[in-house]
Amino acid sequence: DTAVSQTPKYLVTQMGNDKSIKCEQNLGHDTMYWYKQDSKKFLKIMFSYNNKELIINETVPNRFSPKSPDKAHLNLHINSLELGDSAVYFCASSRGGGGADTQYFGPGTRLTVL
Amino acid sequence: QKEVEQNSGPLSVPEGAIASLNCTYSDRGSQSFFWYRQYSGKSPELIMFIYSNGDKEDGRFTAQLNKASQYVSLLIRDSQPSDSATYLCLQNFVFGPGTRLSVLP
Repeated sequence: DTAVSQTPKYLVTQMGNDKSIKCEQNLGHDTMYWYKQDSKKFLKIMFSYNNKELIINETVPNRFSPKSPDKAHLNLHINSLELGDSAVYFCASSRGGGGADTQYFGPGTRLTVL
Repeated sequence: QKEVEQNSGPLSVPEGAIASLNCTYSDRGSQSFFWYRQYSGKSPELIMFIYSNGDKEDGRFTAQLNKASQYVSLLIRDSQPSDSATYLCLQNFVFGPGTRLSVLP
């Protein structure tokens, strides 16, 4: 059973388009995250949701909007895609949201903006 | 600005040797540290976590935390070529840049 899953695995799109990435976890965790890993492999947190409530919102352009329909799902919608949005996006989940619990990562979504 | 620093490497060690990976941090407020391993093209996977000062051992891996000096390290004993990966230090949602380890057969 896949603990944290993401779809799609690869996403290639044109500048200016709008796209979404979906994430689901079956671990029963209360907290979910989105991280971005850029071309230099630096992994940086974007958002964190605890029980459908936004608790971390780092300095991310407002073209990025997370949505959590329930605590098992956290989707990422990106409007007006730019070249600089090309990266690998990882979803993760943890039992608690305070930073002291292990985070489990999904397989990643490689986004390429042309 | 909360920072987590690591040497980017690459760190090359021969098979069977001890690999030593280091991480320094600036935020004294959070004392939970995680070591993740990331193979190329894959997602990060947990190696170990450490919360208390001192050493914590798990198989070939030992994590060491020194709160006074604000560093945490990971030792890999009997390094294997399969240990070749990037090792990431995490403190409170902030990842270090990672150290690339190469274990030479």
